[in-house]
Amino acid sequence: GENVEQHPSTLSVQEGDSAVIKCTYSDSASNYFPWYKQELGKRPQLIIDIRSNVGEKKDQRIAVTLNKTAKHFSLHITETQPEDSAVYFCAASSYAGNMLTFGGGTRLMVKP
Amino acid sequence: GAGVSQSPSNKVTEKGKDVELRCDPISGHTALYWYRQRLGQGLEFLIYFQGNSAPDKSGLPSDRFSAERTGESVSTLTIQRTQQEDSAVYLCASSPERGPYGYTFGSGTRLTVV
Repeated sequence: GENVEQHPSTLSVQEGDSAVIKCTYSDSASNYFPWYKQELGKRPQLIIDIRSNVGEKKDQRIAVTLNKTAKHFSLHITETQPEDSAVYFCAASSYAGNMLTFGGGTRLMVKP
Repeated sequence: GAGVSQSPSNKVTEKGKDVELRCDPISGHTALYWYRQRLGQGLEFLIYFQGNSAPDKSGLPSDRFSAERTGESVSTLTIQRTQQEDSAVYLCASSPERGPYGYTFGSGTRLTVV
């Protein structure tokens, strides 16, 4: 089955700096890669996703890049703000798959 | 409803007791998933329902865990003879289409086994 590794487990940045979170996956058939943000005590919420027919996708301050050859994908947050502080989860699934396999999460702390 | 609703939000139970967790998906969502999230960890897949098809139970950790869904509506996750390692947040998600796209998560049930 799929295995997703996520790094780093914690990340502290200064407000205004960029943050990068990286994930690797094991199943070469995987072709859907979403990212979820979970604030303390709240439900995970989808912030961006990418499918394997594209290498990069951007939405305002958030971007995701995908390298299918190396089987890794990354989340980039620019101009970080204190409200970006949360736990971020990457996930992967194949088209034929029914479920997402999640990484272990990254706790992002943005210091004002 | 407007979102995925889970109940109870918190449950404390004694070791060895059975518990039942409930999930009301978004109306019209055919896919429903249960995940478990232990403290400080990622989400572990438990079970997946798609319409009237047989559920994918491949993530259930033991035969103490079971789940049912009536058509495309409410689902219940039952844990029998609870153990302390069952303590976690149990999250339900629904999706309007087949496959893992566009999950909407509920707020979860925090289960504590004492």
